[in-house]
Amino acid sequence: SQKIEQNSEALNIQEGKTATLTCNYTNYSPAYLQWYRQDPGRGPVFLLLIRENEKEKRKERLKVTFDTTLKQSLFHITASQPADSATYLCALPRGDSGGGADGLTFGKGTHLIIQP
Amino acid sequence: DTAVSQTPKYLVTQMGNDKSIKCEQNLGHDTMYWYKQDSKKFLKIMFSYNNKELIINETVPNRFSPKSPDKAHLNLHINSLELGDSAVYFCASSRTSAYTDTQYFGPGTRLTVL
Repeated sequence: SQKIEQNSEALNIQEGKTATLTCNYTNYSPAYLQWYRQDPGRGPVFLLLIRENEKEKRKERLKVTFDTTLKQSLFHITASQPADSATYLCALPRGDSGGGADGLTFGKGTHLIIQP
Repeated sequence: DTAVSQTPKYLVTQMGNDKSIKCEQNLGHDTMYWYKQDSKKFLKIMFSYNNKELIINETVPNRFSPKSPDKAHLNLHINSLELGDSAVYFCASSRTSAYTDTQYFGPGTRLTVL
């Protein structure tokens, strides 16, 4: 089964700086990788999906990279704001190809704190 | 017009009791899931249902029995509750297709077993 490691349990960043979160995985190469945001007392919310043939994906202030050779994804938040403070989860398909109702394997998440 | 809803939000009960958690999605998705998030915040899949058919049962004790009366509903019944069952249980749904499995999560049910 897939094993996912996310860097440090907590990450403190000054407001306005770029926050970079890391997701490393082992075993097979996934067809895609997803990032979710989870706020206290709430369910995870989908942010971005990047496919194995994509190097980079952007959405507003968010950027995700996917290096299938290194088996790593980086998640960047530029011009970070206190409202970006949350736990960010990396997720991979449980099956070899993804889809097919297999669900996702999640990393433990990185707790990001943006300080004013 | 909540996409994925769960009831109850909080559930406090004694060891040995039987309880149920209900989940409904109005997204028209054909796959629904139950995930468990423990005290260390580790989110792990328990069950997956596709068109009312059980797809995944991940080493979950048989005290846990999911039931899907239709595509929009997936309930979780737990018998003989134990202290270790205390966790947050999330229902999720997705549109099943190749190369994507984006999960839409409910707000969670915090179960506390005393």
